[in-house]
Amino acid sequence: DAGVTQSPTHLIKTRGQQVTLRCSPKSGHDTVSWYQQALGQGPQFIFQYYEEEERQRGNFPDRFSGHQFPNYSSELNVNALLLGDSALYLCASWETGVSYGYTFGSGTRLTVV
Amino acid sequence: AQKVTQAQTEISVVEKEDVTLDCVYETRDTTYYLFWYKQPPSGELVFLIRRNSFDEQNEISGRYSWNFQKSTSSFNFTITASQVVDSAVYFCALSEDGGSNYKLTFGKGTLLTVNP
Repeated sequence: DAGVTQSPTHLIKTRGQQVTLRCSPKSGHDTVSWYQQALGQGPQFIFQYYEEEERQRGNFPDRFSGHQFPNYSSELNVNALLLGDSALYLCASWETGVSYGYTFGSGTRLTVV
Repeated sequence: AQKVTQAQTEISVVEKEDVTLDCVYETRDTTYYLFWYKQPPSGELVFLIRRNSFDEQNEISGRYSWNFQKSTSSFNFTITASQVVDSAVYFCALSEDGGSNYKLTFGKGTLLTVNP
């Protein structure tokens, strides 16, 4: 049973560009959350999607947006990239009312130059 | 506001030693959930345990044990007889809602290195 799958694994972008990261949740999981993990720091909550809607949002600017598709997969979009957006972006999924803890993917390492 | 503090940035031990990772949390809620995750070099966070605020029983799972003390707002993690495979970054996390809306507030993590 595949866990959470994220693509791409690594990405290099130039400041000012836009990027899209993708996440396929674990089979049966309907809720997806995104976290940003800067080097040497703990992950920080960006937002959560359920039933194709953003249900919660952390303290991130509007440059960060997302989407969830009917098959529960999700995208994270970041516009007008800044050097400070360089981080590991983690996707996590769970099955509402059933899962005991989030299942995380291995992340996408984004480098902004 | 929620906060999780992991004061130990790095710990280095020799295999078979016992090691305790400290976690102190802050929250204004009476209902909350505490977690520990392991992050190996591959990057994914591996779920280890979830505890709710009403259950102060200590828990043991193999070589792992957790000590939850509400009086000191701590949720410490002990690895007994450490092994090289335990080397990873360990995160303590807090959620004020363990239901469908839960989001995690993480500490900065503790890098554990177990040397042979």
